[in-house]
Amino acid sequence: DAKTTQPTSMDCAEGRAANLPCNHSTISGNEYVYWYRQIHSQGPQYIIHGLKNNETNEMASLIITEDRKSSTLILPHATLRDTAVYYCIVNNNDMRFGAGTRLTVKP
Amino acid sequence: NAGVTQTPKFQVLKTGQSMTLQCAQDMNHEYMSWYRQDPGMGLRLIHYSVGAGITDQGEVPNGYNVSRSTTEDFPLRLLSAAPSQTSVYFCASRLLPGQGNSPLHFGNGTRLTVT
Repeated sequence: DAKTTQPTSMDCAEGRAANLPCNHSTISGNEYVYWYRQIHSQGPQYIIHGLKNNETNEMASLIITEDRKSSTLILPHATLRDTAVYYCIVNNNDMRFGAGTRLTVKP
Repeated sequence: NAGVTQTPKFQVLKTGQSMTLQCAQDMNHEYMSWYRQDPGMGLRLIHYSVGAGITDQGEVPNGYNVSRSTTEDFPLRLLSAAPSQTSVYFCASRLLPGQGNSPLHFGNGTRLTVT
């Protein structure tokens, strides 16, 4: 089983921030949290990753709770092209994706 | 760098036929893995490898064989194809966790139909 749990689906208005939560309560101390997204049936695309500090890049921000049991991916200004399935996974040798969250950005 | 290259892009098999899905990477990644994705579903891990000569099973290994004779290549073999193996197959690679925290790099997928 995947080591993470995510909501099945979420909607977001275009131009607003999209906040996608992920629970990873069994994460180990040296495991990173990675986020990917998949648009249609393309290969998954890497977004961002982090260990315990908050991270930001040109695509998104990652907020990890102090106890590291959950995290939130933030797309600050969602566009229609951000409509995709978003996966949160924990870094280990057995990288299992789970079902992810289907984000729909609406005009 | 070409990244992760999968061949073929599309394949149609008859039940009982065998075939090998090829995956190659030119990034000197020790870790490679295979996933399948059924329509409307997430990715499920089939097999993975942490280096040449080392392979291990993932969530759904039955019906698939793998080997890792070189760092660059990680072929996936279907010995006797079944309609239940109709899916899109993705290969991925990355550095091992101890070598740096690199993300998975994915190929473009192989779309397999078994009739």
